[in-house]
Amino acid sequence: GENVEQHPSTLSVQEGDSAVIKCTYSDSASNYFPWYKQELGKRPQLIIDIRSNVGEKKDQRIAVTLNKTAKHFSLHITETQPEDSAVYFCAAGYFSGAGSYQLTFGKGTKLSVIP
Amino acid sequence: DTGVSQDPRHKITKRGQNVTFRCDPISEHNRLYWYRQTLGQGPEFLTYFQNEAQLEKSRLLSDRFSAERPKGSFSTLEIQRTEQGDSAMYLCASSPSGESPGETQYFGPGTRLLVL
Repeated sequence: GENVEQHPSTLSVQEGDSAVIKCTYSDSASNYFPWYKQELGKRPQLIIDIRSNVGEKKDQRIAVTLNKTAKHFSLHITETQPEDSAVYFCAAGYFSGAGSYQLTFGKGTKLSVIP
Repeated sequence: DTGVSQDPRHKITKRGQNVTFRCDPISEHNRLYWYRQTLGQGPEFLTYFQNEAQLEKSRLLSDRFSAERPKGSFSTLEIQRTEQGDSAMYLCASSPSGESPGETQYFGPGTRLLVL
């Protein structure tokens, strides 16, 4: 099955600085890579995703890059704000062969933005 | 609120009791997933429905767990004879069909289960 590694597990940045979170995956059949933000006690919320047919995607202060050859993808947050503080999860998606489209998640990165 | 909803949000039960959780997906989504999330971990896949058909179950889903989606709309997840190791957040997600590649999954707020 798919295995997703996520680094770092914790990240502290000063407000206004950039934050980068990196993930690697093992299964070359994975073709969809979403990022979720989860605040304490709340649902995971999709913040950006990238499909295997593109290498980079941006949405305002958030960008994601994908290197299919190396099997890694990264989340970049620029001009960080205190409200960016949360746990961020990467995931890799693939058809399981039994009919479902599965997401395998990393273990998460706790981002703290210091005012 | 047109997002995924789950009920109850919190459940405390004693070991050995049965519990049932409900998930209402986004109305036009025909695909529904259940996940389990423990502290400090990402969500782990439990089972998947396409309309009313349960197409896949994870090895994590022991015989004490059963899920249904009788009319292809809401779904229930039942845990029989609960154990302390079942304590976790149970998340439901739904997705529309037709996206390619990949299916965007939208999560509900989860049901936090504590087994005493």
